[in-house]
Amino acid sequence: DTGVSQDPRHKITKRGQNVTFRCDPISEHNRLYWYRQTLGQGPEFLTYFQNEAQLEKSRLLSDRFSAERPKGSFSTLEIQRTEQGDSAMYLCASSRDTPEEKLFFGSGTQLSVL
Amino acid sequence: AQSVTQLGSHVSVSEGALVLLRCNYSSSVPPYLFWYVQYPNQGLQLLLKYTSAATLVKGINGFEAEFKKSETSFHLTKPSAHMSDAAEYFCAVSEFPGGGNKLTFGTGTQLKVEL
Repeated sequence: DTGVSQDPRHKITKRGQNVTFRCDPISEHNRLYWYRQTLGQGPEFLTYFQNEAQLEKSRLLSDRFSAERPKGSFSTLEIQRTEQGDSAMYLCASSRDTPEEKLFFGSGTQLSVL
Repeated sequence: AQSVTQLGSHVSVSEGALVLLRCNYSSSVPPYLFWYVQYPNQGLQLLLKYTSAATLVKGINGFEAEFKKSETSFHLTKPSAHMSDAAEYFCAVSEFPGGGNKLTFGTGTQLKVEL
């Protein structure tokens, strides 16, 4: 069990650029989640996958955001035409799909949009 | 929709003193409740969880929480604070079934431990 890993740890970009983040979940976990956390706030749910199927998307996830999990393993989160308001920590988590299962979180990707 | 409210964004205690972090939930179904801790530059770690078994839940590092349905509360306590407990603590509610174990978090409580 190597834990949930996220890459990169930090990303600085200019407004209007596209960015992509990667998450590698714990290997036997078939659920994968993306959250966003801004300073002084708790993590906010963005989307989650059951294997390769994206089952739910938050209204926070505008059409500039897209997430994929093509083979039910790693996932990518892309933000197009970044805005300063996108600056946040993007957290990935994974879990098994049984009730009561806890989420295991990665250390996150800190995005700064200049 | 389910939600949690954490009272007090900052709590300061002396080393050795009781830690009490407050969490109230709102849920239309029996909830699953969690406390997570976040240390600087680290991911969220689960402290403990309530999943409709015993109402008093013991977690790691000496923390425990009691589920009180009548008060819709799930407060986190530790009898004696240690300097290493300084971190941010998040209460969360799960929307399972139907939400895929998705968690809704509170806004967090920053715990400071002073000598």
